[in-house]
Amino acid sequence: AQRVTQPEKLLSVFKGAPVELKCNYSYSGSPELFWYVQYSRQRLQLLLRHISRESIKGFTADLNKGETSFHLKKPFAQEEDSAMYYCALKEGSNQFYFGTGTSLTVIP
Amino acid sequence: IAGITQAPTSQILAAGRRMTLRCTQDMRHNAMYWYRQDLGLGLRLIHYSNTAGTTGKGEVPDGYSVSRANTDDFPLTLASAVPSQTSVYFCASSSTAGRGAEAFFGQGTRLTVV
Repeated sequence: AQRVTQPEKLLSVFKGAPVELKCNYSYSGSPELFWYVQYSRQRLQLLLRHISRESIKGFTADLNKGETSFHLKKPFAQEEDSAMYYCALKEGSNQFYFGTGTSLTVIP
Repeated sequence: IAGITQAPTSQILAAGRRMTLRCTQDMRHNAMYWYRQDLGLGLRLIHYSNTAGTTGKGEVPDGYSVSRANTDDFPLTLASAVPSQTSVYFCASSSTAGRGAEAFFGQGTRLTVV
């Protein structure tokens, strides 16, 4: 069963435009959700986690338990934001499950 | 601080050969994981270990085995490689203490089975 769904494989936006990367999850317990970013041919690195309610590099994400969503947003996209983004769910067993990823391209 | 180190960085392997991908972490994390990354499929969990001496199967365990003899090392073995195991493999580790603990990733091993 797909635990994390990222419906958009590819997303292109113009520089300065808002961006939203969608993530929906399926989990009956109390979820821990994360966004990871992978720049070209680099390792995955944490962007943000829901529990911290933080803003990193201008990105924010709010956990909506009613809609089981954890969408990633940024009001003004920058060229350096072009990367692969993965939404991840951590279950109570300490296993991390990832979505299929969204490749974001910011057009200059 | 090295974090997580994987070896080799890349490998071309003949089908039917045995191969062990190495993973070492120096963060004293209890949990370790192996993922494969394939275009359009994202990262899929192969095997995991919540503590030294224990392992568990993830989403796609067939054809792979792991061991966790100590806290730092978590090798992944392909007993008899097949072309469908061509992928980029990532090792990760995480603390099991408290909510919000993130997974830290290695740099990946690019494996091609021919």
